[in-house]
Amino acid sequence: AQKVTQAQTEISVVEKEDVTLDCVYETRDTTYYLFWYKQPPSGELVFLIRRNSFDEQNEISGRYSWNFQKSTSSFNFTITASQVVDSAVYFCALSEGDSGSARQLTFGSGTQLTVLP
Amino acid sequence: DTGVSQNPRHKITKRGQNVTFRCDPISEHNRLYWYRQTLGQGPEFLTYFQNEAQLEKSRLLSDRFSAERPKGSFSTLEIQRTEQGDSAMYLCASSSSGQGRSYEQYFGPGTRLTVT
Repeated sequence: AQKVTQAQTEISVVEKEDVTLDCVYETRDTTYYLFWYKQPPSGELVFLIRRNSFDEQNEISGRYSWNFQKSTSSFNFTITASQVVDSAVYFCALSEGDSGSARQLTFGSGTQLTVLP
Repeated sequence: DTGVSQNPRHKITKRGQNVTFRCDPISEHNRLYWYRQTLGQGPEFLTYFQNEAQLEKSRLLSDRFSAERPKGSFSTLEIQRTEQGDSAMYLCASSSSGQGRSYEQYFGPGTRLTVT
């Protein structure tokens, strides 16, 4: 069975600080996909990134960066120079793939990030 | 380019009543998913369709729940004889599948169900 653990329930930082959201996953499959989604107060889940299990290259997109380490089954998310608009619940998710297609997502319980001005 | 839409956005019903929700996916997406999210938790998978075929159902989907996607386009989720424990946000997502396509699931705004 697959499982995603986000141990940090709530994080509060002051604007311009860097913050890292942790994600640890469990799966028996050798092919899988990892995702991060953002859920702002409006409620709609916003896709941020997808990584394949066979690609451990870290990725940077603007102020966002992701660190994927298969050795520790972790897929951590760092926001650099945080802004108030980053305040949201962030979910890490896992999907076991079939023929390269993602199936249902297993989500962690989420981390509530609050960025204070 | 329109995203995933869901109707209604909010539904209040009395225990024992039946409710039906609708989801319209992104037009070129052949996969459609239903999830349920309760307060303070991540979404939980309920079921998904590839075109009109329902390929997988979670054990969370009791016999009071039924989902359809009759023409491979929009989908409906019906809950019969609602219970207070059914109160949640019901989320729909869609994605593509197949060679060379991206597989991210894009979510709609959800339908918030309150059972009184």
